[in-house]
Amino acid sequence: NAGVTQTPKFQVLKTGQSMTLQCAQDMNHEYMSWYRQDPGMGLRLIHYSVGAGITDQGEVPNGYNVSRSTTEDFPLRLLSAAPSQTSVYFCASSYFMTRGMNTEAFFGQGTRLTVV
Amino acid sequence: GIQVEQSPPDLILQEGANSTLRCNFSDSVNNLQWFHQNPWGQLINLFYIPSGTKQNGRLSATTVATERYSLLYISSSQTTDSGVYFCAVDANAGGTSYGKLTFGQGTILTVHP
Repeated sequence: NAGVTQTPKFQVLKTGQSMTLQCAQDMNHEYMSWYRQDPGMGLRLIHYSVGAGITDQGEVPNGYNVSRSTTEDFPLRLLSAAPSQTSVYFCASSYFMTRGMNTEAFFGQGTRLTVV
Repeated sequence: GIQVEQSPPDLILQEGANSTLRCNFSDSVNNLQWFHQNPWGQLINLFYIPSGTKQNGRLSATTVATERYSLLYISSSQTTDSGVYFCAVDANAGGTSYGKLTFGQGTILTVHP
């Protein structure tokens, strides 16, 4: 049971390049989400998904796309990287229980992205 | 949206000291979690505690949901406790929150030997 796995751990991009950050979970969780963490700040929600085929925007969605074709995978795409997207990215998953209650969220190890 | 405030922003301790970290939130929540972010950036789940009290070794947490706050207690602190402690809440607007967490700004804890 690996939990939440993110790849790569580190990445350097040039402005305008595109890339996909991968996130996979093996806990059969319905909910998955992407966050970014900037220096001295807490995490902010980028996009989230409540199940395969269903995604929605979070607090800071601009410049990012997501899709969810399977329960296990939730990739985050940067179509044209900008220096403002330099950050640490975390993927998380959790499980719906009942009446709006969810289990605790589990986080991946993070991807440190630098855009030059 | 819901506001989450943590205090103090910074805390410096000598090894062996006790401390209390506070998290205030502005609306009712489905879920509250405490995390420790270690110096390597990894987020470690400490407590899942929407209400009540839990203990895990030297750490314990209490959430008073009706008064919208949570406390994290660290006793007999060790240098390995250093890092950033985050409180995150899963807001209850409309009754379904889809696992979306709102984080506080964190408390930076430094424990000196």
